[in-house]
Amino acid sequence: EAGVAQSPRYKIIEKRQSVAFWCNPISGHATLYWYQQILGQGPKLLIQFQNNGVVDDSQLPKDRFSAERLKGVDSTLKIQPAKLEDSAVYLCASSLGIAGSYEQYFGPGTRLTVT
Amino acid sequence: AQSVTQPDIHITVSEGASLELRCNYSYGATPYLFWYVQSPGQGLQLLLKYFSGDTLVQGIKGFEAEFKRSQSSFNLRKPSVHWSDAAEYFCAVGAQEYGNKLVFGAGTILRVKS
Repeated sequence: EAGVAQSPRYKIIEKRQSVAFWCNPISGHATLYWYQQILGQGPKLLIQFQNNGVVDDSQLPKDRFSAERLKGVDSTLKIQPAKLEDSAVYLCASSLGIAGSYEQYFGPGTRLTVT
Repeated sequence: AQSVTQPDIHITVSEGASLELRCNYSYGATPYLFWYVQSPGQGLQLLLKYFSGDTLVQGIKGFEAEFKRSQSSFNLRKPSVHWSDAAEYFCAVGAQEYGNKLVFGAGTILRVKS
């Protein structure tokens, strides 16, 4: 079974530029998550999708971050404009999203450096 | 608010020695718990999970964890550490009542001495 795919793996941009990350979850997984992991911290949930609907985006900085999952499969996360404090690893995870099967499977992440 | 505490930022153990990584949580609902491991430059790999039932759970790579509701703890153990276990370990807590989103601890970095 293929895992969660993410691209790019690394990205360096200057502040005020825009950037987009892509995630393809495990086939059949209805729930998709984007996390931000700042160096030295645990992952923090940014947004959670159930199929193509948003379940939780309470911690997403909506003035600069946006995310979509148009067909209920892959997803993109965008930052516009980027700030220095957005430097982090952005992790995508997916889960079946059904009772008794809540474990999340993570992709390799995208390491973003904002200069 | 939900929170997860991993009191030890760094732990160093000798190869072959036993290991225990601590995790305490504060949650307003019946939790389910996970331990993940992250090697440098990699994503998180699931080591083990607890949903219900037997409070001692076995995971991959010889790890186990014990859920103690009275102490709000879910400590990770391994009887004999291998050099390849050096990584960062994260405890995470979720609950169906909170939409199944996970709250992570800050992580414990494990160093293994040969």
